[in-house]
Amino acid sequence: DTGVSQDPRHKITKRGQNVTFRCDPISEHNRLYWYRQTLGQGPEFLTYFQNEAQLEKSRLLSDRFSAERPKGSFSTLEIQRTEQGDSAMYLCASIPSTTGYEQYFGPGTRLTVT
Amino acid sequence: LAKTTQPISMDSYEGQEVNITCSHNNIATNDYITWYQQFPSQGPRFIIQGYKTKVTNEVASLFIPADRKSSTLSLPRVSLSDTAVYYCLVGDMRSGGSQGNLIFGKGTKLSVKP
Repeated sequence: DTGVSQDPRHKITKRGQNVTFRCDPISEHNRLYWYRQTLGQGPEFLTYFQNEAQLEKSRLLSDRFSAERPKGSFSTLEIQRTEQGDSAMYLCASIPSTTGYEQYFGPGTRLTVT
Repeated sequence: LAKTTQPISMDSYEGQEVNITCSHNNIATNDYITWYQQFPSQGPRFIIQGYKTKVTNEVASLFIPADRKSSTLSLPRVSLSDTAVYYCLVGDMRSGGSQGNLIFGKGTKLSVKP
């Protein structure tokens, strides 16, 4: 068990550019979540997958955001035409199918839009 | 939505017991209460989860009154390394349930002093 990993850990981009983040959940965890966290706030739910199916998206997820989880393993979160307001920590978490409750979080990707 | 309210900050000394209370007046029947710990630049880490009464594990206890409108995380004999932000999360984590109501809130920043 190597834990949830995220790549990159840090990303600096210019406004208007597209960025893509990757999350590798713990193997055999069938649920995967994406959150966004800004300074001084708790994580905000963005979307989640059960296996490869994206089951729910938050209203926070504008049409510039898209997430995929092909084959039900790793997931990617893409932000198109980044804005300064997108600067945040993007967290990924996974849940095993057995317990269904405890979220295992990755270290996050810190995005800075200049 | 089961919004949560926690104290913004708490101070304690090493060796003391710390109790952090979370209010969640609108908790739903299927909602569980989960507490997470977060250190700077890291993802949250699961501490404990409960539905009602009392739950205890090797690191903490969780007290939930009969009406479930609040919960108290108890950390026995804290150390300097327990300095972190603690989040109360209320939501239905069951597989297939609506996850969009997962709200972490702003958390409680615990500072443990020597």
